[in-house]
Amino acid sequence: NAGVMQNPRHLVRRRGQEARLRCSPMKGHSHVYWYRQLPEEGLKFMVYLQKENIIDESGMPKERFSAEFPKEGPSILRIQQVVRGDSAAYFCASSPSGRNTEAFFGQGTRLTVV
Amino acid sequence: AQRVTQPEKLLSVFKGAPVELKCNYSYSGSPELFWYVQYSRQRLQLLLRHISRESIKGFTADLNKGETSFHLKKPFAQEEDSAMYYCALKGEYGNKLVFGAGTILRVKS
Repeated sequence: NAGVMQNPRHLVRRRGQEARLRCSPMKGHSHVYWYRQLPEEGLKFMVYLQKENIIDESGMPKERFSAEFPKEGPSILRIQQVVRGDSAAYFCASSPSGRNTEAFFGQGTRLTVV
Repeated sequence: AQRVTQPEKLLSVFKGAPVELKCNYSYSGSPELFWYVQYSRQRLQLLLRHISRESIKGFTADLNKGETSFHLKKPFAQEEDSAMYYCALKGEYGNKLVFGAGTILRVKS
């Protein structure tokens, strides 16, 4: 099992462009979580998805950010019209089911907005 | 509100010295608490969780509900323990985690 795979590892975007971050969960995992880590801060929860459903998006900014986890394919975190403040490391985690299972993390995507 | 506080950004100790990484939390229900570790250039990985009461790599952590703390301890630090350590609280849905800001542990020879 290759673990949680995130790509790209590094992404550079100019202000106003779109950023797409991909997360392939571990095999057999149907729960995906996205976290953002700003410089000098801990990881902050953004969104929790199960296949085709958003369960909790309480940590997502209200504008420009969206997430999906389709029936087939990876989970995508999409940031439209990026701004400098979006520069951060974005981590994805997956788990096989709900509460009493461990969540495994990917290596993250470092987004830099220039 | 759920909150995790790690008061130290950096903890530097000598090899063989005891280590205590502090973590305090605020949560209105029954908490589930974890310590995660991130070694240089590696992904975040679970070190231990309070419900399993285990010792991993010589580290232990005891949940103290009276003091709302979950400090991570090791009696004798090793150089390979140098890493970033995050304390985390599990929220009410699935595996959503609330993280502290992290503490860098540096073990000097």
